[in-house]
Amino acid sequence: GENVGLHLPTLSVQEGDNSIINCAYSNSASDYFIWYKQESGKGPQFIIDIRSNMDKRQGQRVTVLLNKTVKHLSLQIAATQPGDSAVYFCAENIDNYGQNFVFGPGTRLSVLP
Amino acid sequence: EAQVTQNPRYLITVTGKKLTVTCSQNMNHEYMSWYRQDPGLGLRQIYYSMNVEVTDKGDVPEGYKVSRKEKRNFPLILESPSPNQTSLYFCASSPRLAGDKEQFFGPGTRLTVL
Repeated sequence: GENVGLHLPTLSVQEGDNSIINCAYSNSASDYFIWYKQESGKGPQFIIDIRSNMDKRQGQRVTVLLNKTVKHLSLQIAATQPGDSAVYFCAENIDNYGQNFVFGPGTRLSVLP
Repeated sequence: EAQVTQNPRYLITVTGKKLTVTCSQNMNHEYMSWYRQDPGLGLRQIYYSMNVEVTDKGDVPEGYKVSRKEKRNFPLILESPSPNQTSLYFCASSPRLAGDKEQFFGPGTRLTVL
């Protein structure tokens, strides 16, 4: 696979447990955020998004929490599965037109059998 | 199949030899973008385009050019590549100009400049 995560923080969880991946963003004016999943050798894939007028948004097994006071975003994955092993990135939209995104450095999630 | 394609997927070249990485999407998206991904730095935006003939600089545009003559294509041009442009490059497209911005990414192009 691609060596995109040589120096990434790593989170290891047991299969079936819940995972929480954290992200600090930089711009207090950012109004839209996305979580992406990147598997080895592939491009990032959209997981879930949230607008700044929300604190929480839920997907099928994922939940995103937004704390604007401390500029913090988290991704919760319920009942983590081996297929969830990947690098996860948060991205913030730093302009009002939704064109310019800044990505976090990423967190590698390893799911242990 | 709806997708973003990039070519080539892997390229090794030498300093100063002009190259182009092509990007094409078949989803009729208005918005397209190029990123580079480096270890420990995540994805950094190089250029983006909101529509045909409209391009803007991202965070790291130096050493790169782009063009958007057709809606589906957004090539990335390195006029005189240098070793610090060795990286993994991703093209992305999105269907809307504003609002929620789910971006669809291509598979990536691994570029090595010797």
